[in-house]
Amino acid sequence: DAEITQSPRHKITETGRQVTLACHQTWNHNNMFWYRQDLGHGLRLIHYSYGVHDTNKGEVSDGYSVSRSNTEDLPLTLESAASSQTSVYFCASSDRTSGSAYNEQFFGPGTRLTVL
Amino acid sequence: KNQVEQSPQSLIILEGKNCTLQCNYTVSPFSNLRWYKQDTGRGPVSLTIMTFSENTKSNGRYTATLDADTKQSSLHITASQLSDSASYICVVTGLSFGAGTTVTVRA
Repeated sequence: DAEITQSPRHKITETGRQVTLACHQTWNHNNMFWYRQDLGHGLRLIHYSYGVHDTNKGEVSDGYSVSRSNTEDLPLTLESAASSQTSVYFCASSDRTSGSAYNEQFFGPGTRLTVL
Repeated sequence: KNQVEQSPQSLIILEGKNCTLQCNYTVSPFSNLRWYKQDTGRGPVSLTIMTFSENTKSNGRYTATLDADTKQSSLHITASQLSDSASYICVVTGLSFGAGTTVTVRA
């Protein structure tokens, strides 16, 4: 069965370190998204991609970067981790219709990141 | 600024009872409105989707309504079960997320 996976599921790191969170989907979806979820804020969009070599900033992109070299993967990198980036991170993917995000997004299980 | 406001923030209901969650939005242009259910420790899963021309959509015991004129939607849960304990998230036009309503069903 097609699925979307995230790794690691839990990560503890120190302030200033570079961290990369992996997201892999086997749906062959064009669209992929990264969100962070914090209490009281719900899901907030960090970056998204509508296809290979395409990346776009979301509402909370500062301190994060992504690159899309193939259809299946969209890794999220924290260049220099900060305590404010402690959160639960969700990756999602959706099929493309008119190059938009309107279709149902399928979410991964999440990565809990703690920055000390 | 596109906004999606959900209410209440949380609620507790007894098993077997009904409840209604609200979603008000100012997102423009409007394409569709989707309700997701998020179980604790898991990613959200889609429950229903409605486009501009639809005003109600059901998925089992879940019924969503949409009033595009007033920019309001509701999600009604009928005969609640313990498994309905979750957060319910309203998403407008794909990328505008509400903060969610946490529902706790007690036996």
